[in-house]
Amino acid sequence: AQTVTQSQPEMSVQEAETVTLSCTYDTSESDYYLFWYKQPPSRQMILVIRQEAYKQQNATENRFSVNFQKAAKSFSLKISDSQLGDAAMYFCAYRSRNSGGGADGLTFGKGTHLIIQP
Amino acid sequence: EPEVTQTPSHQVTQMGQEVILRCVPISNHLYFYWYRQILGQKVEFLVSFYNNEISEKSEIFDDQFSVERPDGSNFTLKIRSTKLEDSAMYFCASSGGTGGGSPLHFGNGTRLTVT
Repeated sequence: AQTVTQSQPEMSVQEAETVTLSCTYDTSESDYYLFWYKQPPSRQMILVIRQEAYKQQNATENRFSVNFQKAAKSFSLKISDSQLGDAAMYFCAYRSRNSGGGADGLTFGKGTHLIIQP
Repeated sequence: EPEVTQTPSHQVTQMGQEVILRCVPISNHLYFYWYRQILGQKVEFLVSFYNNEISEKSEIFDDQFSVERPDGSNFTLKIRSTKLEDSAMYFCASSGGTGGGSPLHFGNGTRLTVT
């Protein structure tokens, strides 16, 4: 079974600064997907970014980028130019590639609470 | 942008009662999921559903739980006899494509409180 570990229960960053959230995972599979989801106080789960394990290039989405280190099984999220609206819980998640037609669920980490200080 | 919608947003029920949580997935999606999040804890997978049957379920999804797609649009989670520990946020999600890379789109959740 896969596990996802987020070792930072809480992180704080000044507005406009850069912050990196850590995520490591354990798997015996070679093909899989990794995700970062954001959960603001409204409790909605919002997809931030997705990485395909067979792609070496790190995914980027505007101010959000990842540092994917497959050998180290590390998948950190970097948020540049932090904004007040970035304040939320951030969850790292894993999903098998060979998922029987996409039916397998996501395995989530415990989350990191990101605080943005004005 | 199409959304997954869940009703109600908050449900209060007494221990031992049956509760049905409702979800309307995105219309052209084929895969449906239920997750739960106990307050302050991580999001946990409950069940996935495809082609009118359960594809995968976790250890949490015991005989007290069932899912159904009663018509072409709704996807429901039923808890037959609720327990205090069932109090949690329940999220419905759907995805459109095959393969693990198809992103899941989550609803806003139903907060279930069992008293």
